Amino acid sequence: GENVEQHPSTLSVQEGDSAVIKCTYSDSASNYFPWYKQELGKGPQLIIDIRSNVGEKKDQRIAVTLNKTAKHFSLHITETQPEDSAVYFCAASYGNTPLVFGKGTRLSVIA
Amino acid sequence: DADVTQTPRNRITKTGKRIMLECSQTKGHDRMYWYRQDPGLGLRLIYYSFDVKDINKGEISDGYSVSRQAQAKFSLSLESAIPNQTALYFCATSTPYQETQYFGPGTRLLVL
Repeated sequence: GENVEQHPSTLSVQEGDSAVIKCTYSDSASNYFPWYKQELGKGPQLIIDIRSNVGEKKDQRIAVTLNKTAKHFSLHITETQPEDSAVYFCAASYGNTPLVFGKGTRLSVIA
Repeated sequence: DADVTQTPRNRITKTGKRIMLECSQTKGHDRMYWYRQDPGLGLRLIYYSFDVKDINKGEISDGYSVSRQAQAKFSLSLESAIPNQTALYFCATSTPYQETQYFGPGTRLLVL
């Protein structure tokens, strides 16, 4: 089955700097790659996703890139703000298979 | 988001006790999921259901059972709780046409 590896497990950045979180997946059939943000005391919430027919997608300060050949995808957050501090999860799936999540990255934005 | 609710929000129980965690949704979604979150291990799928008559095991179903009472309700049971089931449990929903999963606020379970 699918296996998703996520790095780093923790990340600290200065406010205004960029943050990058990377994930690799094992199943070449996977074609859907979402990113979820979990704030303290809440459930995860989708922030951006990408499908395998697209190499990059942007939404304001966040972007996701996908390299199908290398089977990895990344989340980029620019101009980080304190409210970006959270745990971020990547995931992968295809068809009706359930999402397989990475182990998460705890991002701390230092003011 | 109150569209997906979980009860109780916190629960302390003893080893060997049977407990039930409940999930209700007003989003009208057919698909519902139960996940377990442990520090450093991410979100792991316990069970999922694509409709009322469909129940599927996930990655870590041993020691758990589920019941899909209606489209809007999906319950998770621990038949005989053990300490290593101490974790944060999340329910989620989705539709067949959109992979986005909507998570509830979670239930924090402590098994003594």
